[in-house]
Amino acid sequence: QQQVKQSPQSLIVQKGGISIINCAYENTAFDYFPWYQQFPGKGPALLIAIRPDVSEKKEGRFTISFNKSAKQFSLHIMDSQPGDSATYFCAAKNPLGDSNYQLIWGAGTKLIIKP
Amino acid sequence: NAGVTQTPKFRVLKTGQSMTLLCAQDMNHEYMYWYRQDPGMGLRLIHYSVGEGTTAKGEVPDGYNVSRLKKQNFLLGLESAAPSQTSVYFCASRLLSGANVLTFGAGSRLTVL
Repeated sequence: QQQVKQSPQSLIVQKGGISIINCAYENTAFDYFPWYQQFPGKGPALLIAIRPDVSEKKEGRFTISFNKSAKQFSLHIMDSQPGDSATYFCAAKNPLGDSNYQLIWGAGTKLIIKP
Repeated sequence: NAGVTQTPKFRVLKTGQSMTLLCAQDMNHEYMYWYRQDPGMGLRLIHYSVGEGTTAKGEVPDGYNVSRLKKQNFLLGLESAAPSQTSVYFCASRLLSGANVLTFGAGSRLTVL
């Protein structure tokens, strides 16, 4: 119930293509769904986030699509660039009790954009 | 404004040795967290703190202890290191209210031989 399942584990996309990373969850109490981006040798940093009352959020080339009924959300990177090569983590937050202090993390996707 | 600073960045230990990782933040954040990152396993929460003088266990607390004597510092201790504790450790912090954004440090790579 507290898990977030992320796929694929790794992804190779040609420059200019669309990168898509998917996450699924079970707990309908989750109220916040961020994506973090991590470059090698660095800590993760917030990329974009969404709340379940909207179905899509776009920031530049990055879009989160959210399907509440299917309990799935995905990250789309349009016109993917070599500089987007990084590990991407989805996460979710449960607002109830002690879980409110924590994020539940997906396992991560290593994205490589080929020039 | 340095954000979240972790020291040391690298450390090699022998099995059974002890050490402390230091996390310092200058953003006046209330919440602080210690995670470990292992290949294919994402970020796993070790311990966290919701304020000065308070700590709580996360998902994988065994073999670790923490202390938060000052609001800006969160220490992670290994009393008797084991090879299974070889990992990259990340500290993170966030505000009590407002945007739910974690700020991470650059990581501390620990190898236990």
